[in-house]
This record gives sequence, structure tokens and C-alpha cells, in this order.
Amino acid sequence: DAKTTQPNSMESNEEEPVHLPCNHSTISGTDYIHWYRQLPSQGPEYVIHGLTSNVNNRMASLAIAEDRKSSTLILHRATLRDAAVYYCILRLLIQGAQKLVFGQGTRLTINP
Amino acid sequence: GAGVSQSPSNKVTEKGKDVELRCDPISGHTALYWYRQSLGQGLEFLIYFQGNSAPDKSGLPSDRFSAERTGGSVSTLTIQRTQQEDSAVYLCASSLPGTGFSGANVLTFGAGSRLTVL
Repeated sequence: DAKTTQPNSMESNEEEPVHLPCNHSTISGTDYIHWYRQLPSQGPEYVIHGLTSNVNNRMASLAIAEDRKSSTLILHRATLRDAAVYYCILRLLIQGAQKLVFGQGTRLTINP
Repeated sequence: GAGVSQSPSNKVTEKGKDVELRCDPISGHTALYWYRQSLGQGLEFLIYFQGNSAPDKSGLPSDRFSAERTGGSVSTLTIQRTQQEDSAVYLCASSLPGTGFSGANVLTFGAGSRLTVL
């Protein structure tokens, strides 16, 4: 399975932008890049996904490198509620069925 | 229902006992996943169901683990002869079918079932 690599932890200040990096050098042409986050004591929740072009939604932006070997999740103005573990995942198509394999994620701490 | 429902939310059992964990996915979601999360760890893929296709069981850690999905809806994860290392939060997720090369359906997770094996 194609793997993703993320820093174990990052720290930022409230109301500042946060850039969470992810490397996926073995990505294939059909793999979508997904980001999920897991708040304390909750199941993961979807944040954003993309294939080739940069994407924006109400939660975040996703910047994808031209060669697709890396991507960055951008939180434009972090709040304390954004403290969570952020997972960068490749949606793999295996025999026509999708599979999402989670790595260890990045634990984001937001300082007031 | 509005979301993915899992039960029980907490289960404490003795080593060697069998346990069953239930997942009720979002109505209309044909894809269903089970993951396991040990304390302080990331998510470990266990099994994946998609419609009437044979499930992807590649993540099941041993033959003590099994899962079924009846009528394409509710799923039950069964752990036989539980061991202390089975203690974890078991998460279920569902999605619309994500087959094909276009589209990328997102997963909706339940709150999980916390299993403690004494």
C-alpha cells in the first residue's frame, strides 16, 4: 500500500495560519489525497480531499505539489478547537474498491 | 440514522471471553470499514465491506477476529478468546461506494467501541 509520511507533532498559536505537510512519494495517478482529523475522544472526521488541483472548503485548504508527491493542509486561522491529530491518507483503488489506510498522523497543539 | 452508530460504547471483559461489537452505518452507505486504535496510536485497518463483494479481510490480526455484514447494512465484529492486547477502541466507518476512477467518497466514522480486556 502507498504510504504517507507526516511529522509526529506540530505546534502553533491561536489565530495564526498552520501548514501541515505530508509526503506521499509513491502515490499513483488514481490515488486521491484525503485529510481527516481526530479530536480528543472522538472518531476521525473528514477535512478535505483532492487529486491534482488545490482545493478550498470551509474548514481548510489543500495545496498539492505539481508532481503530487507531497501536499500541505492549510488552516488559515487556527483556533483552540483545531487541536487534534491530523491524518493524511491516500485513497487507494484496489481491484476497483477503495481502501483508506491511516498512518500515525500529526498531533497539532494550538497555544492560546 | 443521521450518523454511524456503534454499540456498546464501552465493554469490559475478561481474558478468554468472546465479544461482539456492532456497527449501524448511515442508510444508503454500501461501504463499511472497521479500524482499531490502540491507546495513543493511529488507526489500524481491519476489514472493509463493499456491497455484495467479498470483504477485504487483509487487516484482521488473527483468526480470532471475524466480521460479518448482514443484508448490506449492520455489521458485527467478533473477537473470540479475547487477549489483553485486544484492548483498544474499535471504530466503524461507512461511505457511499468509492469505486471507479472518478470521485472520492468520504468516510463518516462512529464514536467507537472502547474494549478493555482484563
